[in-house]
Amino acid sequence: EVQLVESGGGLVQPGGSLRLSCVASGLTTTTPWMSWVRQAPGKGLEWVANIGQDGSATYYGDSVKGRFTISRDNAQNSVYLQMDYLRGDDTAVFYCAQGGRAGAFDVWGQGTVVTVSS
Amino acid sequence: DIQMTQSPSTLSASVGDRITITCRASQNINTWLAWYQHKPGGAPKLLIHKASNLESGVPSRFSGGGSGTEFTLTISCLQPDDFATYYCQQYNTYSHFTFGGGTKVEMK
Repeated sequence: EVQLVESGGGLVQPGGSLRLSCVASGLTTTTPWMSWVRQAPGKGLEWVANIGQDGSATYYGDSVKGRFTISRDNAQNSVYLQMDYLRGDDTAVFYCAQGGRAGAFDVWGQGTVVTVSS
Repeated sequence: DIQMTQSPSTLSASVGDRITITCRASQNINTWLAWYQHKPGGAPKLLIHKASNLESGVPSRFSGGGSGTEFTLTISCLQPDDFATYYCQQYNTYSHFTFGGGTKVEMK
């Protein structure tokens, strides 16, 4: 059974940067498409970014395009989210998710909290 | 971009009730639609994928239907463990995914 564990969340000032990591364990093959999804306090789920199996294809939600970068290291079974120019409305729980059902997220991490505040 | 409209936003129900949540897409997404259950402090859980395919391990009281732009999630006999927030998600293209706004199922 695949498990995902996120890390790297924390408190950062507006305009700052943070790098989230997600490590997958229990794998038998390279994970398929991987994604980041977030939930701001009191809000619903918001898709953030997708990355293809070999890392060549990446896509972003409109609210993070140009500020966030998703990447992966298949040798380390890891996915990353580099977040730059952070704003207060980026405050959220960030989840790593595996798109094992042709894009539907069949495995999720427990989330890591990002707080952007001065 | 495809927008997803979920209704109702809140649903009050009792144990044993049959409930239905609706999700509408702003354009045709065929059956590229998933449903998730999310409880406070936990990770979302996949219930249904490809509009009507029950995820392994999910109780059969959950069912999904629809295609194109109109979709439903039905819980046939609500159980105490089912009080949670439910989200639909379209994944018609990897370039842009979208979640619905969520439906909170609360105890009447």
